[in-house]
Amino acid sequence: GQNIDQPTEMTATEGAIVQINCTYQTSGFNGLFWYQQHAGEAPTFLSYNVLDGLEEKGRFSSFLSRSKGYSYLLLKELQMKDSASYLCAVSDSWGKLQFGAGTQVVVTP
Amino acid sequence: DGGITQSPKYLFRKEGQNVTLSCEQNLNHDAMYWYRQDPGQGLRLIYYSQIVNDFQKGDIAEGYSVSREKKESFPLTVTSAQKNPTAFYLCASSSLAGGKGEQFFGPGTRLTVL
Repeated sequence: GQNIDQPTEMTATEGAIVQINCTYQTSGFNGLFWYQQHAGEAPTFLSYNVLDGLEEKGRFSSFLSRSKGYSYLLLKELQMKDSASYLCAVSDSWGKLQFGAGTQVVVTP
Repeated sequence: DGGITQSPKYLFRKEGQNVTLSCEQNLNHDAMYWYRQDPGQGLRLIYYSQIVNDFQKGDIAEGYSVSREKKESFPLTVTSAQKNPTAFYLCASSSLAGGKGEQFFGPGTRLTVL
């Protein structure tokens, strides 16, 4: 099985940086995904890491350390529209995803 | 436009009734998935299918049933045996042809059982 942990909520100011950590314990690993989900909507794909290191995509970056079972999502230059839940998900050998409970990010003016 | 559609967006049913949620995709994806999301919780896998006419139970399959008669369609039936069916239901699909296997999600159906 898999156990995915991430903080419940984080608050940050517009223009700031926020780092959302995710730790996992898995019996099989085929990559780690980050999704963004606005209230009442479907999750949308943000990033994917399968090798150790940092993947940068605009204002969002994601890091993975497989030996530590650890990932983070970094949101830079925060905007009000970034207020959402951010889901960490680990893929097993069969392509199934196990999701964390999500981190609610609140951006304040 | 390629994508995944779910209908209806909101669904109300009386306790004891079976209800079927629709999920259709035109992305030519092999795999399809059903998740349930409750407030403050992550997505939990109900059923998944990697090929037509075959499907597997996920972590919380009890009280649910599915079929996969066509590649494009993966309907979910919430039966009266499901003890707490009120939730947000999400359907997803992915390609198994290589790559990262990113899952694409439909807009969801919010089911309320009265």
